[in-house]
Amino acid sequence: KQEVTQIPAALSVPEGENLVLNCSFTDSAIYNLQWFRQDPGKGLTSLLLIQSSQREQTSGRLNASLDKSSGRSTLYIAASQPGDSATYLCAVKEGNTPLVFGKGTRLSVIA
Amino acid sequence: DTGVSQDPRHKITKRGQNVTFRCDPISEHNRLYWYRQTLGQGPEFLTYFQNEAQLEKSRLLSDRFSAERPKGSFSTLEIQRTEQGDSAMYLCASHRGDRPDTQYFGPGTRLTVL
Repeated sequence: KQEVTQIPAALSVPEGENLVLNCSFTDSAIYNLQWFRQDPGKGLTSLLLIQSSQREQTSGRLNASLDKSSGRSTLYIAASQPGDSATYLCAVKEGNTPLVFGKGTRLSVIA
Repeated sequence: DTGVSQDPRHKITKRGQNVTFRCDPISEHNRLYWYRQTLGQGPEFLTYFQNEAQLEKSRLLSDRFSAERPKGSFSTLEIQRTEQGDSAMYLCASHRGDRPDTQYFGPGTRLTVL
């Protein structure tokens, strides 16, 4: 059974810092991996999707990498801003199965 | 593309009552998913539809839960005889099954069972 772990569970950084969020998964036979953002009491917003054949994806200040063989992904946020404060969720998909999510990392960026 | 919508956004009910939630997916998306999220946890899969067919149900979906997607458009999730443990955010997502694309999530329905 696929399990997804995210470390750290919470992170607080001063504005302007670069930071890395970590995600690991137990079964490397994934179809894709996604990073989502969730604001308190809200739904999920997709940030980046990495197909199993890809190594990384970039969008603005965000860069996500995937090392399928070791079961790891990282989300790098450059020059963090208070507006980046949210919970970041990692999810993996295996074929036609539903997404399996980690518990998320709660990020606070302090002005 | 108006996105995925869910109704209601919040529902407070007393234990033992029945509740029904609605999800309207993005129009051309043939797959629709329901997830449940409790505080401090990631979303957990409940069930999914391809068009009007319910293809998979999680063991989390007890006999008190039922989901439908008549005509392959909107979907409803009903919880009968609610329990306090049903309190959670219920999220709906849709996906175009023939593309390696992300699932698009709605804003969720927050259920509180008193």
